Amino acid sequence: GAGVSQSPRYKVAKRGQDVALRCDPISGHVSLFWYQQALGQGPEFLTYFQNEAQLDKSGLPSDRFFAERPEGSVSTLKIQRTQQEDSAVYLCASSLEGRGLNTEAFFGQGTRLTVV
Amino acid sequence: EDQVTQSPEALRLQEGESSSLNCSYTVSGLRGLFWYRQDPGKGPEFLFTLYSAGEEKEKERLKATLTKKESFLHITAPKPEDSATYLCAVQPYSSASKIIFGSGTRLSIRP
Repeated sequence: GAGVSQSPRYKVAKRGQDVALRCDPISGHVSLFWYQQALGQGPEFLTYFQNEAQLDKSGLPSDRFFAERPEGSVSTLKIQRTQQEDSAVYLCASSLEGRGLNTEAFFGQGTRLTVV
Repeated sequence: EDQVTQSPEALRLQEGESSSLNCSYTVSGLRGLFWYRQDPGKGPEFLFTLYSAGEEKEKERLKATLTKKESFLHITAPKPEDSATYLCAVQPYSSASKIIFGSGTRLSIRP
């Protein structure tokens, strides 16, 4: 597709359940970012990949959060033992260039996670 | 600590009524400042990147400007379709990968 695709669009999880969120970036894009956006707030950085290498994971809130991009394209954000405070929209973005270059980042529509 | 503050939180304008949105930032060395537009239920859409004080960029009814401490997004003669949340973000030199967003300004244009 032409843009960043995220699935599922909506996910309802019971507290304690594990979830996996998928991101298909724009083909050929080197950089991939995950953000968490709470209602009424701006996105907050979670983690960054340059190709398959996870270069920055400083924003992951706990060790329950794990992200991977094994072949340098599709990425998965996994949350183990979900808690109510994990409820948010999870956004994925990709950009053409690698680290250190200011290039336009394209965002997906996000996955809205609700933990009940 | 790197920080971005946007004001006002919400702004309601009449169609054709020009105004400005403010983004104040504190960052240990600015690599770049970004403006995004976000519609409900969608991801942010890139508008502009500004790199240095004095720089200006325009796109249709929008113009972004940058000083050493803040950025303004000027909207001239807005239309209802300009209604959205406008997000400001900065990329500090201390982190080549992290972009820090403000909470946004919710803009509503009445016909």
